[in-house]
Amino acid sequence: DQQVKQNSPSLSVQEGRISILNCDYTNSMFDYFLWYKKYPAEGPTFLISISSIKDKNEDGRFTVFLNKSAKHLSLHIVPSQPGDSAVYFCAATGGGSEKLVFGKGTKLTVNP
Amino acid sequence: DVKVTQSSRYLVKRTGEKVFLECVQDMDHENMFWYRQDPGLGLRLIYFSYDVKMKEKGDIPEGYSVSREKKERFSLILESASTNQTSMYLCASTSGGSTDTQYFGPGTRLTVL
Repeated sequence: DQQVKQNSPSLSVQEGRISILNCDYTNSMFDYFLWYKKYPAEGPTFLISISSIKDKNEDGRFTVFLNKSAKHLSLHIVPSQPGDSAVYFCAATGGGSEKLVFGKGTKLTVNP
Repeated sequence: DVKVTQSSRYLVKRTGEKVFLECVQDMDHENMFWYRQDPGLGLRLIYFSYDVKMKEKGDIPEGYSVSREKKERFSLILESASTNQTSMYLCASTSGGSTDTQYFGPGTRLTVL
């Protein structure tokens, strides 16, 4: 039972354009969501997060939007840069859990 | 800067061997985690520990055990390695609960022949 779903395994965009990565979740207990970025041969690094009391959080070129009624969140990268090419993992937690539940990841390629 | 180190970047073992993967963090973090990453499956939690000598099973603990004798060190043990345990293994640590940032090590690419 996949509680966090990233339905697009890959995404390709042109440099300077917007990248939109999507994530859906099924567990109503989730109340905190995170995005991690992973380059090949490196461990994931934290990118941005959002609490369920908000519907938007912004950090520079990165914005995460949360739609609780749809159990959907998205990560927007504007403008996209070639250095953003990586695998992006959506993760969720809540209900007092000490664990994160990760999605399968979306591989973003930003073409120069 | 938080640093999480893993004992090996690449490891090749034979079926049936006992394998130890070591993880060390230098930030006095309470919680430590072991994940495996496989193509198309994302990150899956194997075990985690919230204190010395404490451990909790994650989503896929079968075939693995862990040891945490010191706060900074968390070991993953494959008692009898099998080919389906060929994977990228990632260790992480965090100071607090699940909403705190998890800091990951660089990973160990394990191949079981």
